[in-house]
Parts: sequence; structure tokens; C-alpha cells
Amino acid sequence: GENVEQHPSTLSVQEGDSAVIKCTYSDSASNYFPWYKQELGKRPQLIIDIRSNVGEKKDQRIAVTLNKTAKHFSLHITETQPEDSAVYFCAASGAGGFQKLVFGTGTRLLVSP
Amino acid sequence: SQTIHQWPATLVQPVGSPLSLECTVEGTSNPNLYWYRQAAGRGLQLLFYSVGIGQISSEVPQNLSASRPQDRQFILSSKKLLLSDSGFYLCAWSVTGRYEQYFGPGTRLTVT
Repeated sequence: GENVEQHPSTLSVQEGDSAVIKCTYSDSASNYFPWYKQELGKRPQLIIDIRSNVGEKKDQRIAVTLNKTAKHFSLHITETQPEDSAVYFCAASGAGGFQKLVFGTGTRLLVSP
Repeated sequence: SQTIHQWPATLVQPVGSPLSLECTVEGTSNPNLYWYRQAAGRGLQLLFYSVGIGQISSEVPQNLSASRPQDRQFILSSKKLLLSDSGFYLCAWSVTGRYEQYFGPGTRLTVT
């Protein structure tokens, strides 16, 4: 089945810096790659996603890039703000003909003012 | 618009006691439904998913079971809780045929 690895596990940046979180996946048939943000004690929130027919997608300060050949995708956050501090999870669509997601282990992002 | 509810929000239960967590979705029909567990400081583990009433698929053999008695209702149960069942239980839904999943507010379960 699908396996998703996520790095780094922890990322500390200064306010205004950029942050990059990377994920790799194993199943070349995966075609949907979302990113979720989870604040402490809250539910994960879908913040951006990308499909396999697209190489890059942007939404204001966040962007996701996908390299299908290398089977990796990344989340880019520019001009980070303290409210960006959270745990970020990547995911990839699982195999089996059902809309299942396999999640990475999460990255704790800390943005210091 | 669609809304997903979970209850209770928090629960403290002794080892060996039963469990019933409920999830309901409003504003959509025939959703796919999912139960996840998140241990403290960890990732999201898919426990069960359902494509329709009475149709349940289990991802991980364990002390839990799930049922879907109505189209927009998903229930997670256990007959006897273990300490290792402690965690944050999240229900999620998606539109049939689509991958985007939306999570409920979660139930924080502590087994003592």
C-alpha cells in the first residue's frame, strides 16, 4: 500500500522567513495530495491540495509543488507569521479504488516573532 | 453548507468499560465517512471508513468497531476499553468520488 514520509518533524523559523516541508510517497498511482494544518487541540484543516496533473499551486502565502517523477511534494509558506505555528500533515491518495488518504507523520512548525 | 458534529467532546473512561462515539454530517447526502485516531503528538491513523449504510471497512484490527446505521451517522464503539485506546478520535467526511476530506471537531478520550 501507499506510504508517505514527511520531513522535518520539527521546523523553527523567524517571523517573515520562508518554511518548506517535504513529503515523499511510494505509490505512483496516487493522484491527489492535500496538506492539512492542525492547531493545538483542534481538528486538521485542509489548507491546500494538488492533483497529479498539476506541478504547482498557490494560494496567497502558501504553495505546493509536485514532482511526480521523483514522487515527492512540498509545502512552501512565505512571509511566515506567528499564527502559522501549527502541525502540518501531508497526505496522498491511497490505492484500491476508494477515496482514502494516507497521512505523513506531521511537521511541527514554530514561528518566532 | 455542510457541517460535521462529534460527541462527546471529551470523555474519561475506566479500563474495561464500553465506548460509543457518534458522528453526524449535515448538508450532504451519501457521504464517505471515516474514523481516525490520533495518539498524543502523533499522526492520523485511519481506523474505519464507510461508503454507505451498513458498509464498513476496517483498516487496523483492534479493540474497536464501527457502524453506520443511517446515511449521515457514523458510530465508533468498543466493548472493553484498553489503556492504549486513549487518544483524539476524529471523524471525517468526503463527497462520494472525491478525495477532499473534512474533519469533525474530535473527541478526546482518556482511558484510566
